[in-house]
Amino acid sequence: QSVLTQPPSVSAAPGQTVTISCSGSSSNIGDSFVSWYQRLPGTAPKLLIYDNNKRPSGIPDRFSASKSGTSATLGITGLQTGDEADYYCGTWDNILTAYVFGGGTKVTVL
Amino acid sequence: QVQLVESGGGLVKPGGSLRLSCAASGFTFSDYYMSWIRQAPGKGLEWISYIDSSGTKIYNADSVKGRFTISRDNAKNSLYLQMDSLRDEDTAVYYCAREGGYCSGGRCYSEGYFDYWGQGILVTVSS
Repeated sequence: QSVLTQPPSVSAAPGQTVTISCSGSSSNIGDSFVSWYQRLPGTAPKLLIYDNNKRPSGIPDRFSASKSGTSATLGITGLQTGDEADYYCGTWDNILTAYVFGGGTKVTVL
Repeated sequence: QVQLVESGGGLVKPGGSLRLSCAASGFTFSDYYMSWIRQAPGKGLEWISYIDSSGTKIYNADSVKGRFTISRDNAKNSLYLQMDSLRDEDTAVYYCAREGGYCSGGRCYSEGYFDYWGQGILVTVSS
C-alpha cells in the first residue's frame, strides 16, 4: 500500500492525451514539491518533472504537471508509442521523514 | 556527463549480508545528497535511504532501519549500502540516485528529487 495513490493504468490512442493523478496528504504533497519519473521497460527511472511543474532540459513540453492541495497530476499530450512506460510520482513526507512514491501508473498506447 | 554505476549485487541467503557500491563521475560528488532506491519484482519504486553531501545526515525507510547502512566516501566519489540480515522481501533491483540540489554559503542542500539514476543492480535473497 503506497502512501501516494495513483491509478494502476491509463490508456489512449496515439496523438491523444492522458492524465495521471497522484493523491497524498498534508504531510507529503500538501507540504512538499512533487516530482514525476518515467520508467521505460528495462531501463532505469528518468526524471520527467520536478518542483511540481518544471521540466529538466531534454524533456519535451508534451509532458506537463500541476499540483493543487494534496494532489498532483501529470499530463501527456500527443501520445506516442515511445511513451509506453510506468510513471511514478514522488515527494518527501514530513511525518514519515521518508521520501515516498506512488504505486506507479502503466501507460498503454492503444 | 553524469554517470552512476552500481556494483556488488548478487545472490545471497536469508540472514546474509551484501555491500553495494555506486561509483559516481561527471559531477562534483561531494556537493550532492545521494539516495538508494529499490524496485522489487512486480512492485513499484521504494526509497530506502539517503545521505547528505557531507555524510553526516542520514534517513532510512522503516523497512530497512537497523539492517541497512548508507555511507559515502567523497574522496573516492563513491556511495555504499551495507545490507545485513537480508530477507526474501529485500529481493529487488537497487538503484543509486543523485538528488537535485545546490550549494550556497559553503553548505549544500537537496531539492527533493532524483535527477540522475544508475542502471540498477539485482539483489536476490533466496535459500
